[in-house]
Amino acid sequence: SQQGEEDPQALSIQEGENATMNCSYKTSINNLQWYRQNSGRGLVHLILIRSNEREKHSGRLRVTLDTSKKSSSLLITASRAADTASYFCATDSRVFGKGTKLTVNP
Amino acid sequence: DTGVSQDPRHKITKRGQNVTFRCDPISEHNRLYWYRQTLGQGPEFLTYFQNEAQLEKSRLLSDRFSAERPKGSFSTLEIQRTEQGDSAMYLCASSHSRDNRRTEAFFGQGTRLTVV
Repeated sequence: SQQGEEDPQALSIQEGENATMNCSYKTSINNLQWYRQNSGRGLVHLILIRSNEREKHSGRLRVTLDTSKKSSSLLITASRAADTASYFCATDSRVFGKGTKLTVNP
Repeated sequence: DTGVSQDPRHKITKRGQNVTFRCDPISEHNRLYWYRQTLGQGPEFLTYFQNEAQLEKSRLLSDRFSAERPKGSFSTLEIQRTEQGDSAMYLCASSHSRDNRRTEAFFGQGTRLTVV
């Protein structure tokens, strides 16, 4: 199966709540990236975390990486309706999962 | 606009025809990637270049697909004898690699191919 699998496949929350998405992968990596994609549009890069890093922040985004478990998580705090999109993780710019479809209800 | 540019944005072609897409990366980026994305799926890696050298090709890239980056700047992806299964969004991305450390990849808006 494809590595870089996100969980859950779909997530629906209310504005103001936090959203957490997880990503698992199978082989060793140099870096892991999170992207956002609005319907029918290109991907927007959110955060890159290197294999020797454990946590990174960018605004309302927090990414963690656990190389021993081969997993990463993306936390979006204080979500907004504009955060509605699909979120993908990618390992070394090669392998993407199927994504988590996030819906933030106003 | 200094982002990744792809042309055309949309292409409708008849089965059996050849199509070519172009990607202009961010100017200082030495790496260029091609992906294919179908509805409800994540992007699937096809190939990537470092400068003009094609360093990796996915097994998804059949003999009907060929990509070039002749001068290490723009790249083209050609699909020969298109099939309906080739209908997808074709995405290009670029990044900079320095001292073997890769930076984030920036994506273009994609070319949506419909084979009828």
